[in-house]
Amino acid sequence: GQNIDQPTEMTATEGAIVQINCTYQTSGFNGLFWYQQHAGEAPTFLSYNVLDGLEEKGRFSSFLSRSKGYSYLLLKELQMKDSASYLCAVRDQDTDKLIFGTGTRLQVFP
Amino acid sequence: DGGITQSPKYLFRKEGQNVTLSCEQNLNHDAMYWYRQDPGQGLRLIYYSQIVNDFQKGDIAEGYSVSREKKESFPLTVTSAQKNPTAFYLCASLRGRGAFFGQGTRLTVV
Repeated sequence: GQNIDQPTEMTATEGAIVQINCTYQTSGFNGLFWYQQHAGEAPTFLSYNVLDGLEEKGRFSSFLSRSKGYSYLLLKELQMKDSASYLCAVRDQDTDKLIFGTGTRLQVFP
Repeated sequence: DGGITQSPKYLFRKEGQNVTLSCEQNLNHDAMYWYRQDPGQGLRLIYYSQIVNDFQKGDIAEGYSVSREKKESFPLTVTSAQKNPTAFYLCASLRGRGAFFGQGTRLTVV
């Protein structure tokens, strides 16, 4: 089976850096996705990691350690518009099943 | 313009009626997915399909049905057997490093 854990809520200050963690247990692993979802809207794609290491894309970076079953999303220079839910999803190696964690709701304060 | 399109955006259904939600993609993606999201909750997998004419149950398939007659299309029928169908329904497609969502259909039972 698969189990994906994320913190439920986080808060941060505008201009700061925040790290959102995701731990997973899967029978077969073929990549991990991060999405941003604003209230009432569909998720939008942020990043995809399949190999260990850090991938940077502007203010957002994502890290993966397959041996530890661990990923994080790093958001730099936080802006008010970054207040949203952040979803971690794991792709199964054999079936292409895409399973989501419950998401982390981030609130950015001035 | 490539993308994944869900229709309608809002849908109202009377109790006891079946209703079909449309999902179409022109990204040439092989895998497609249907998720349900309840207020303040994560995404739960209903059905998914890796190839045409084949699909698999997700974690909450009871009361739902799907078909995959064309690569581009993966409609979801919410049947009268679904006890609590009011929710936000999201369709996604995946290929390689990309997995993207449609804008979602908000279904309300009246």
